[in-house]
Amino acid sequence: GENVEQHPSTLSVQEGDSAVIKCTYSDSASNYFPWYKQELGKGPQLIIDIRSNVGEKKDQRIAVTLNKTAKHFSLHITETQPEDSAVYFCAASLGVSSNDMRFGAGTRLTVKP
Amino acid sequence: DSGVTQTPKHLITATGQRVTLRCSPRSGDLSVYWYQQSLDQGLQFLIQYYNGEERAKGNILERFSAQQFPDLHSELNLSSLELGDSALYFCASSVSPLAGGPGETQYFGPGTRLLVL
Repeated sequence: GENVEQHPSTLSVQEGDSAVIKCTYSDSASNYFPWYKQELGKGPQLIIDIRSNVGEKKDQRIAVTLNKTAKHFSLHITETQPEDSAVYFCAASLGVSSNDMRFGAGTRLTVKP
Repeated sequence: DSGVTQTPKHLITATGQRVTLRCSPRSGDLSVYWYQQSLDQGLQFLIQYYNGEERAKGNILERFSAQQFPDLHSELNLSSLELGDSALYFCASSVSPLAGGPGETQYFGPGTRLLVL
């Protein structure tokens, strides 16, 4: 089955700097890659996603890139703000009829003011 | 707000007891997924239901069971509780797992925090 690895497990940046979180997946048939943000005491919230027919997607300060050949995808947050502090999870999905979404272990991002 | 609701928000119980967690999916979503998140751990998939039928099983213990009702809400039953079952339990929903179709976004509820003493 699909296996997703996420790095780093913790990341600390200064406000205004950029943050990059990377994930690798094992199954080349995976075609959907969402990113979730989880704040303390809340459920994961989808922040951006990308499908395998696209190499990059951007939404304001957040962007995701996908390299299908290398089987890795990354989350880029620019101009970080203290409210970006949270745990971020990547996931990969094969898109078949049963649950096939596998999550990375998470990255705890801290943005220092 | 994702549109997925979960009750109760918090639950404190004793070892050996049984509890039921409830989830209402987003309007129109046919699939419900249950996840367990232990302290500082990632999301562990437990089970998925689609339109009332079990579709996939993950790392779900035999002491745990779930069902999805005709109105599409779902319940996760945890029995013979142990200290190690203390965790956050999340429900997520998606429109439908189309066979052979592209992966679908799962929308998560706020979770139920279970504490077993």
